[in-house]
Amino acid sequence: EIVLTQSPGTLSLSPGERATLSCRASEIIRSGFLAWFQQKPGQAPRLLLYGASIRSTGIPNRFSGSGSGTDFSLTISRLEPEDFAVYYCQQYDSSPWTFGPGTKVEIK
Amino acid sequence: QVQLVESGGGVVQPGRSLRLSCGASGFTFSTYAIHWVRQSPGKGLEWVAVISNDGGNTYYVDSVKGRFSISRDNSKNTVYLQMDSLRLDDTALYYCAREMDPWGFGEDTLDYWGQGTPVTVSS
Repeated sequence: EIVLTQSPGTLSLSPGERATLSCRASEIIRSGFLAWFQQKPGQAPRLLLYGASIRSTGIPNRFSGSGSGTDFSLTISRLEPEDFAVYYCQQYDSSPWTFGPGTKVEIK
Repeated sequence: QVQLVESGGGVVQPGRSLRLSCGASGFTFSTYAIHWVRQSPGKGLEWVAVISNDGGNTYYVDSVKGRFSISRDNSKNTVYLQMDSLRLDDTALYYCAREMDPWGFGEDTLDYWGQGTPVTVSS
């Protein structure tokens, strides 16, 4: 099973600041089979990025992803008020599909 | 528009059974694999099971193997999760989600999710 570790656990930032979230895998994830989701309280997860760096439909370009192998990152270039949420990475390289524990981006 | 609606959750005693349903609309249901993902209260996301578009292939997380069974009825645009021998740690909000690539199975992420149905296992 591929274990995903996310850091930091919590990121305290102000609107307009840049957020960089990390996701590290216990094994190499082939072909960048890594996705990022955003979840707000009381809502289902929302797909932001897949293939490590491809934005899903309707996702603003302030969200970007990078990485390969075992190290991946999600960057939010300038935080908008609606971006404060929990972010999860997920690998779909191999079963069981696994999620990271999440990074909470909170308002400073 | 694509919609997934879960139902069937509730409160159940340990050792009992429950069947969840996931009704779909707004897309060609029979061409997509469907997953179940759960989220324990205040916790993160855990993938549970997946079924291929034709129902011929399934995978499960180890913790539910032998207890949970995923199936689908393409004539009703519905996926089911039969949960037997429920345990306290099965308590969670259960989401169904569509695998993004039509005709794919297990090689893509999840692009549409339902709002979830809560399952509470308690004595």
